[in-house]
Amino acid sequence: SYVLTQPPSVSVAPGKTARITCGGNNIGSKSVHWYQQKPGQAPVLVIYYDSDRPSGIPERFSGSNSGNTATLTISRVEAGDEADYYCQVWDSSSDHYWVFGGGTKLTVL
Amino acid sequence: QVQLVQSGAEVKKPGASVKVSCKASGYTFTSYGISWVRQAPGQGLEWMGWISAYNGNTNYAQKLQGRVTMTTDTSTSTAYMELRSLRSDDTAVYYCARSIFSPDGTFDYWGQGTLVTVSS
Repeated sequence: SYVLTQPPSVSVAPGKTARITCGGNNIGSKSVHWYQQKPGQAPVLVIYYDSDRPSGIPERFSGSNSGNTATLTISRVEAGDEADYYCQVWDSSSDHYWVFGGGTKLTVL
Repeated sequence: QVQLVQSGAEVKKPGASVKVSCKASGYTFTSYGISWVRQAPGQGLEWMGWISAYNGNTNYAQKLQGRVTMTTDTSTSTAYMELRSLRSDDTAVYYCARSIFSPDGTFDYWGQGTLVTVSS
């Protein structure tokens, strides 16, 4: 089955840029979606189709996808961005049509 | 505004069944499907399956085939997920999410989650 690999944790100081990666075999050929999940809350879609933002998501959130790595970039990080972030792709050859990465805990120092 | 409101927490014994509901509002229910996603304590997200609210077609994760059934009631815009033969490792928060069954499908709205605890 298709595996998405994320770093367990990323730390960044307020005002700096955070980059969260999502690795997968030829992931650049797939559409990648990103979700933010704060403690005790449901996930929220923050990036879809690699780099599009839903309405209401700040422009500070952006995404890219090429080769074997997709990246979620959060510019000018704020304390409120501290959360778990999950990448997601569709893989019809997998035993799960939708596959999630293991998640990355973003800590704002 | 789009809302998905789920039923309340459940405590079940091993071997029992649980049925979680997800009531949709704010959009045309039959124009989308509903995916179910679960999250074990301290763990990541796991997609369980999807149901079309238009015609009831389903697709389940292979590991849950035979134990899970997803249904909808279009008269009340409600989706249901039933999981049978519960085990302790089924203890998780269960979410419903609006989605389209396609490579481009995203989970753009989520329910608040339902905690299911399996314990003897």
